Amino acid sequence: SQKIEQNSEALNIQEGKTATLTCNYTNYSPAYLQWYRQDPGRGPVFLLLIRENEKEKRKERLKVTFDTTLKQSLFHITASQPADSATYLCALEAGGFKTIFGAGTRLFVKA
Amino acid sequence: DGGITQSPKYLFRKEGQNVTLSCEQNLNHDAMYWYRQDPGQGLRLIYYSQIVNDFQKGDIAEGYSVSREKKESFPLTVTSAQKNPTAFYLCASSMRDRREAFFGQGTRLTVV
Repeated sequence: SQKIEQNSEALNIQEGKTATLTCNYTNYSPAYLQWYRQDPGRGPVFLLLIRENEKEKRKERLKVTFDTTLKQSLFHITASQPADSATYLCALEAGGFKTIFGAGTRLFVKA
Repeated sequence: DGGITQSPKYLFRKEGQNVTLSCEQNLNHDAMYWYRQDPGQGLRLIYYSQIVNDFQKGDIAEGYSVSREKKESFPLTVTSAQKNPTAFYLCASSMRDRREAFFGQGTRLTVV
């Protein structure tokens, strides 16, 4: 069956360090992959989309990589700040207009 | 301001009752979606619609119904057939040629 895995354990890092979150998937061949941020009690907010023919995408302090051979995406936040504390969701295109979401990884950035 | 609005924010339902969650968008998006989120789980797709008067079942459609009579509106009815309806419900929309989704603020439904 199709599966998306994100680290269920929370990630705790010190302010100023780089946070790296992982998204692994099986039984998919997605044309693109997305990352969203979700704060408690609120809807997710779109951050970045990377296509299968792109190895890396950057937006300000954010960087996403997409390895279709490993079936893995890495999401990096450089120079992290306490305001970056949130849950980050990985999402894959699953055909047509369907998008499948992972359970998310909670990030805590300590001042 | 353009956006997607869900109402109400909190909803309480007695067992055996049907309830309808509202979702309205003024982004001129063709596609709209309903997801359910439970603690520790990813968003699960309930229904989605690509155009007016057409919609498709997602992965967990049993016990739910939708309509898409207007481009701006995609209400979700949680029927009494849904055995475990307590959850956080999220509505989203996107353009046909873009995949990034815009989400509403969610409706937290509790069965009492």
